[in-house]
Amino acid sequence: AQRVTQPEKLLSVFKGAPVELKCNYSYSGSPELFWYVQYSRQRLQLLLRHISRESIKGFTADLNKGETSFHLKKPFAQEEDSAMYYCALYSGGSNYKLTFGKGTLLTVNP
Amino acid sequence: NAGVMQNPRHLVRRRGQEARLRCSPMKGHSHVYWYRQLPEEGLKFMVYLQKENIIDESGMPKERFSAEFPKEGPSILRIQQVVRGDSAAYFCASSPILNEQFFGPGTRLTVL
Repeated sequence: AQRVTQPEKLLSVFKGAPVELKCNYSYSGSPELFWYVQYSRQRLQLLLRHISRESIKGFTADLNKGETSFHLKKPFAQEEDSAMYYCALYSGGSNYKLTFGKGTLLTVNP
Repeated sequence: NAGVMQNPRHLVRRRGQEARLRCSPMKGHSHVYWYRQLPEEGLKFMVYLQKENIIDESGMPKERFSAEFPKEGPSILRIQQVVRGDSAAYFCASSPILNEQFFGPGTRLTVL
């Protein structure tokens, strides 16, 4: 069965510092990985997906199949990045259901 | 497009009562997903529906829980005879095809 692990429940950095939110997955096939973000009082929204290989709001994430990781990175954190971040995995098949990690609460301090 | 709508946003029920959670997908979306988030946990898949069909209910508890997505109207997640362990946030997502899922704001169910 597939699993997504986000080892850090809380992460606190200062504005301008680099930030990395860790995500590891277990799945025997070729997964599709996503990062979702939930800002305070807002709904969950897609931040980026690995197949797009794009940078959104300065965030990037590279799928490392050898280490089964999909860490989210940003070189210079901003206060508005403070939010809950969820890593999610789609394992294929006809239903497109997602498996989520428990989430990491990122706080960017001024 | 108003986005995925869920109501009510907050629902309080006493043990043994029924809870009905509604989800209106985005216009043009024919795929609906329900997820449950228990405290301190990630979102867990419950059920995937298309219009008038349950496609995958592998994440639904075997008893007391049911879901529907009728030809007309919103998708409904129904929990009969609620217990305290049902207290959670329930999220609905919709997608136009098997692609990106757009999430609603969630319904927070509290069972007293």
